[in-house]
Amino acid sequence: LAKTTQPISMDSYEGQEVNITCSHNNIATNDYITWYQQFPSQGPRFIIQGYKTKVTNEVASLFIPADRKSSTLSLPRVSLSDTAVYYCLVGGGYSGNTGKLIFGQGTTLQVKP
Amino acid sequence: DSGVTQTPKHLITATGQRVTLRCSPRSGDLSVYWYQQSLDQGLQFLIQYYNGEERAKGNILERFSAQQFPDLHSELNLSSLELGDSALYFCASSVVDKPTYNEQFFGPGTRLTVL
Repeated sequence: LAKTTQPISMDSYEGQEVNITCSHNNIATNDYITWYQQFPSQGPRFIIQGYKTKVTNEVASLFIPADRKSSTLSLPRVSLSDTAVYYCLVGGGYSGNTGKLIFGQGTTLQVKP
Repeated sequence: DSGVTQTPKHLITATGQRVTLRCSPRSGDLSVYWYQQSLDQGLQFLIQYYNGEERAKGNILERFSAQQFPDLHSELNLSSLELGDSALYFCASSVVDKPTYNEQFFGPGTRLTVL
């Protein structure tokens, strides 16, 4: 099973770019990488998903190297409202009925003014 | 608001008891996922149903069971409760059975406290 590892916490300042890296050495061939954002007392919210190379949407970019053993979530020009916990999720590559979804332990991002 | 509803919001019970958590997915979503979030274990995938059938199983204890009904709502049953079962339980839904191809929408969660 893929085990995902993320930094426990990060600090940044408003307007800076933030990069959060997730390590997933045992990622399976069919597994995707998804990032979620979670605010206190709320359910996680989807940010971005990718399989390899680079994916960009209106809020973030996701960089995945060729070996797919890690991924980096990039948040451009963060604001105070980006203070949250960010989770890396690996999995969903179903093989029969044994698909499993593995979350990292989460990275608490604190954005300071 | 994700469109996923969960009831109850809070639940307080005693060890050894049995509880049922309910989830209604977004309109049109056929897949329902259950997760447990605790301070020491983080977010743990429990089980997934797609259109009434069990699709994938994660770290779900034998004391826990789930089902998805014809109207697509789902219930998570937790029995012989222990103190360590105290956690936030999230339900999520997605359109198809593979979370790799689209996003999951999470509900607000049910906070279970076992005393």
